[in-house]
Amino acid sequence: AQKVTQTQTSISVVEKTTVTMDCVYETRDSSYFLFWYKQTASGEIVFLIRQDSYKKENATVGHYSLNFQKPKSSIGLIITATQIEDSAVYFCAMREDNYAQGLTFGLGTRVSVFP
Amino acid sequence: EAGVTQSPRYAVLQEGQAVSFWCDPISGHDTLYWYQQPRDQGPQLLVYFRDEAVIDNSQLPSDRFSAVRPKGTNSTLKIQSAKQGDTATYLCASSFRDRGWTEVFFGKGTRLTVV
Repeated sequence: AQKVTQTQTSISVVEKTTVTMDCVYETRDSSYFLFWYKQTASGEIVFLIRQDSYKKENATVGHYSLNFQKPKSSIGLIITATQIEDSAVYFCAMREDNYAQGLTFGLGTRVSVFP
Repeated sequence: EAGVTQSPRYAVLQEGQAVSFWCDPISGHDTLYWYQQPRDQGPQLLVYFRDEAVIDNSQLPSDRFSAVRPKGTNSTLKIQSAKQGDTATYLCASSFRDRGWTEVFFGKGTRLTVV
């Protein structure tokens, strides 16, 4: 069975700095997909970025990037040049590729960005 | 393009009452998911459909919960006799296909409080 663990409950950062969030996962499959989602104060969940297990290059979208360390089963999210609007809860999620299924989420990390 | 629509946005019940949640997925999305998100936790998959067929309902808490998607479009999640432990946000999500990297889009959720 797959499992996703986010150990950081909350992180506070000053605006325009970089924040890094950790996520480790467990899977028996050799092919899988890792995702980061953001949940805003209104409750809306928005997809941010994805990493395919077979790709060695770290994914980057805008000011979001990933630190994918496959031997450690780790997929960190890095947000550079943070803005107040980045304050939210960030969820790591995964899906194995071998059969139909939903996403498995971690508990989330709350990020607060202060001026 | 309209997103995933859910109603109602909020519900407050006494224990023992029944409640139904309604979801309209993104047009053309064949896969629909229902997630339960307790406070300060990540979403947890309850059930999901591909078209009108239930693919996985193994995580539905008990026979008090049921979900249908009769025409492969809209879906209803029902709780027959609510308990305080059912207090959570219920999220509907949809995607085109349910394999691999396909992006999953979430609705804004229904926040249920059982008193």
